[in-house]
Amino acid sequence: QQQVKQSPQSLIVQKGGISIINCAYENTAFDYFPWYQQFPGKGPALLIAIRPDVSEKKEGRFTISFNKSAKQFSLHIMDSQPGDSATYFCAASWGSGSARQLTFGSGTQLTVLP
Amino acid sequence: EAGVVQSPRYKIIEKKQPVAFWCNPISGHNTLYWYLQNLGQGPELLIRYENEEAVDDSQLPKDRFSAERLKGVDSTLKIQPAELGDSAVYLCASSLGGRVHEQYFGPGTRLTVT
Repeated sequence: QQQVKQSPQSLIVQKGGISIINCAYENTAFDYFPWYQQFPGKGPALLIAIRPDVSEKKEGRFTISFNKSAKQFSLHIMDSQPGDSATYFCAASWGSGSARQLTFGSGTQLTVLP
Repeated sequence: EAGVVQSPRYKIIEKKQPVAFWCNPISGHNTLYWYLQNLGQGPELLIRYENEEAVDDSQLPKDRFSAERLKGVDSTLKIQPAELGDSAVYLCASSLGGRVHEQYFGPGTRLTVT
C-alpha cells in the first residue's frame, strides 16, 4: 500500500518528441506527489510536484497530470531534448509531523535521441 | 549555497571489512536522511534524523548498520561487517523540517564489496 508503481522501466524518444511516464498508487493517504530527476553519478533532484486537489501542473516543458479517481499520475516532457536524458522517479508522501514519509517509484530511464 | 556533501564518492572494500560514509547537509536543514539505492531502483530509506534524534530507523539493518548525527549537523553511516549484497549507492539527503517531499540529495557514495 505504500508503493508507487512506475512505468515504463525505460523509454527512448526522438528529440522534439513527447516523453510520458506513468505512476499508479493505492494508498489514498498519499497527499503530495513529487517527481525527481537523476543524472548519472548525481543524486535525485526535485523536478516538479503536485497536490491531489489539482489535475494538472505545468512548469516549462514539464507537466504533471493527476487523475485522483484512477489513482494515477503522469509526467509529460514536451519537446524532449537530449539533455533530458536521465532517470525519472515519481514519489508520494503521506503522514504528518515526524511521521511524514516519502516513497519512490522504481524509476524510468529516459533516453532522448538527437 | 553549498549542496549536500558526501564522502567518499567511491569505496571498494572486501567483504567482512567495515566502512563508513560521511554526510554534511545543507546549512539550516534539520532533517537528514540516509538512503540505499540499488542499480535500476528508487532510493529506499534507511534512517531519518530530525536534529540529533533518529525518528525513523525501521528499515536500518541494525545487526550490521549504524548511524549517528552528533550535534544535529553532520552524519555518519557505518556498515560492519560489509557483505557482498551491500554493494549499492548510499545517498544522503536533507530537508527543512517536515518537507519530506522537498529533499536535497548529495551525489552519493558508490560502495563495491568484493
